[in-house]
Amino acid sequence: ILNVEQSPQSLHVQEGDSTNFTCSFPSSNFYALHWYRWETAKSPEALFVMTLNGDEKKKGRISATLNTKEGYSYLYIKGSQPEDSATYLCAQRRGGSNYKLTFGKGTLLTVNP
Amino acid sequence: DAGVTQSPTHLIKTRGQQVTLRCSPKSGHDTVSWYQQALGQGPQFIFQYYEEEERQRGNFPDRFSGHQFPNYSSELNVNALLLGDSALYLCASSPAGNQNSPLHFGNGTRLTVT
Repeated sequence: ILNVEQSPQSLHVQEGDSTNFTCSFPSSNFYALHWYRWETAKSPEALFVMTLNGDEKKKGRISATLNTKEGYSYLYIKGSQPEDSATYLCAQRRGGSNYKLTFGKGTLLTVNP
Repeated sequence: DAGVTQSPTHLIKTRGQQVTLRCSPKSGHDTVSWYQQALGQGPQFIFQYYEEEERQRGNFPDRFSGHQFPNYSSELNVNALLLGDSALYLCASSPAGNQNSPLHFGNGTRLTVT
């Protein structure tokens, strides 16, 4: 993997379904992995910043895991609600002296009531 | 507690013109980053400002320049606009003292070049 990639590109689920999506990134020189939620007409909002291999973070019904050795992170949403509809972005920071975040293209989640 | 504010929200310019976008960071934040999001792409890093200096730059031409003021607010300037500069420009702030702090984003400026 040379770039940050997210899959699927888009996803439609029914209210109450649980879902997950993937962020893949270069495993070399890993520093941190960020997840953001971006609702239409709003600004991206941070969900998690993960730094350690095996990290698991949780915020309400949303959780994320991190595998830095193989270069992937999963985001899980349990019992999806219509208000979870948004684009979910992941971004990698490589190296402590490298301040830039490299973003994936995002996963667009639509939760139907 | 005001978050990150950007102005203007929308802007239409003609090829060859120059544009200035403005950003005020979240209270307590001293680092400002600019990102460009073209249609169908993820945000791309333009540059980051800290202590009124450009600390790091992404893969953007010199037509893109910036400035940070003593109150930590920032400007992004783009000269000789091209059609391909049409995009959403996002400003994000963070506190320099916490290396793993998430970015706080503004709502963005939508630039259309005709």
